[in-house]
Amino acid sequence: KNEVEQSPQNLTAQEGEFITINCSYSVGISALHWLQQHPGGGIVSLFMLSSGKKKHGRLIATINIQEKHSSLHITASHPRDSAVYICAVSQGGSEKLVFGKGMKLTVNP
Amino acid sequence: NAGVTQTPKFQVLKTGQSMTLQCAQDMNHNSMYWYRQDPGMGLRLIYYSASEGTTDKGEVPNGYNVSRLNKREFSLRLESAAPSQTSVYFCASSELRPGPPSGIYFGEGSWLTVV
Repeated sequence: KNEVEQSPQNLTAQEGEFITINCSYSVGISALHWLQQHPGGGIVSLFMLSSGKKKHGRLIATINIQEKHSSLHITASHPRDSAVYICAVSQGGSEKLVFGKGMKLTVNP
Repeated sequence: NAGVTQTPKFQVLKTGQSMTLQCAQDMNHNSMYWYRQDPGMGLRLIYYSASEGTTDKGEVPNGYNVSRLNKREFSLRLESAAPSQTSVYFCASSELRPGPPSGIYFGEGSWLTVV
């Protein structure tokens, strides 16, 4: 069983929809990261969080440490949000990251 | 601009050839990484360096060597390239302690094809 699980694996949405991407992990963590990768492109860090909630523009990330679960929400989705979203965790005192396999989001106009 | 710079962006190698991927970061991060990304596999750690002078094997180290030349630079070497090493390679650096520039930062990727 992968230590970091993402669901769904693929998601297609219409422009304007509210989108939720989930991440569950089975290990103790010091931080959780949400990353974005556009097709053929590099990887950008969206959030790093260890508790609570963070917001940046239309993106909101939450984490529940007790339930070992995090969600990434996209409000008023747009076709430019189409990308692969990757969840990763860093464990304990190490900065080594464990990655989920990513979720491919397609937002249609 | 702050960030991670890796070179080359594209490379085609013949089986058995050697090459080095270069990576440098200017954020004064201690930790640096080399990952490979293959379709359906996600990012897999090849090697990790927690600080200058230290390196650790990751999930898929076979066929690779690394060198942490100084705090800024972390290179990845393929001594005898094999078709199984055809992949996209990402260098990254991170600082997870509070305060900017914390988080993980990736280079733009290196597309390597071994024929």
